[in-house]
Amino acid sequence: GAVVSQHPSRVICKSGTSVKIECRSLDFQATTMFWYRQFPKQSLMLMATSNEGSKATYEQGVEKDKFLINHASLTLSTLTVTSAHPEDSSFYICSAREGQGTYEQYFGPGTRLTVT
Amino acid sequence: GQNIDQPTEMTATEGAIVQINCTYQTSGFNGLFWYQQHAGEAPTFLSYNVLDGLEEKGRFSSFLSRSKGYSYLLLKELQMKDSASYLCAVMDSNYQLIWGAGTKLIIKP
Repeated sequence: GAVVSQHPSRVICKSGTSVKIECRSLDFQATTMFWYRQFPKQSLMLMATSNEGSKATYEQGVEKDKFLINHASLTLSTLTVTSAHPEDSSFYICSAREGQGTYEQYFGPGTRLTVT
Repeated sequence: GQNIDQPTEMTATEGAIVQINCTYQTSGFNGLFWYQQHAGEAPTFLSYNVLDGLEEKGRFSSFLSRSKGYSYLLLKELQMKDSASYLCAVMDSNYQLIWGAGTKLIIKP
C-alpha cells in the first residue's frame, strides 16, 4: 500500500527558532500534498494544499510567511515553521494524494512539535 | 457554512457491536471517508462511500444516505484494539476534505 513518511517524529525547539518538517511519499508519486495541524482532542485542521512545482494554497487564517511550504518534487514536501512560538506547539500531519481521479489521502505518522 | 457532526465519545463492550453516526452539511459532495486515529498517531483510512448504501469490509461497515446527509460506521465483534477516535470527513465540491471532530470510542472488557 501507499506509504507516507514524516521526519522528525518529535521535535523540541526554542522560541524564535525555525523547524523544518519533511513529508515523503515512499512508493508513489504525490501530485498533491496536504499539511494539517491538530490540537489535543480537536479535529484535523487543514493548513495548506501544495501541488508539485507550484506555490501552496493556504487556508484562511494560516500565515504563509510563518508556515513555509515547499513541494519540490513528486515525493517530497517540506513545512518550515519560522520563528516558532509556544502557541505553535501542535501535532503536524501531512498527507499525500496520488493523482487526478484518486480521492484517498495517505497520511504520514505526524510530527509532534513542542516550542519552549 | 460547512458542518460535520458526530458524537464526542461512545463506550462499548468487547465483542459487541457499535454504530457511530455522522451527519453533514457541505457545499457539494464528492464522497465521505471514515478514518481511525489512535492517540498520538496519524489517521488511517477505513472506508469511502460516494453512493448510497452499505459498504462492508470485514468487521467494519459504512453506510451513506446522501439525501439525508447521513452516514454511520458499524463496528462488529469489537476488540480492545478498536479503542480509538473515528473521524468522519466529507469531500466537498472543491475536493477538499471537511473533517468532523472525531468520536472517541472506548472499549471495555
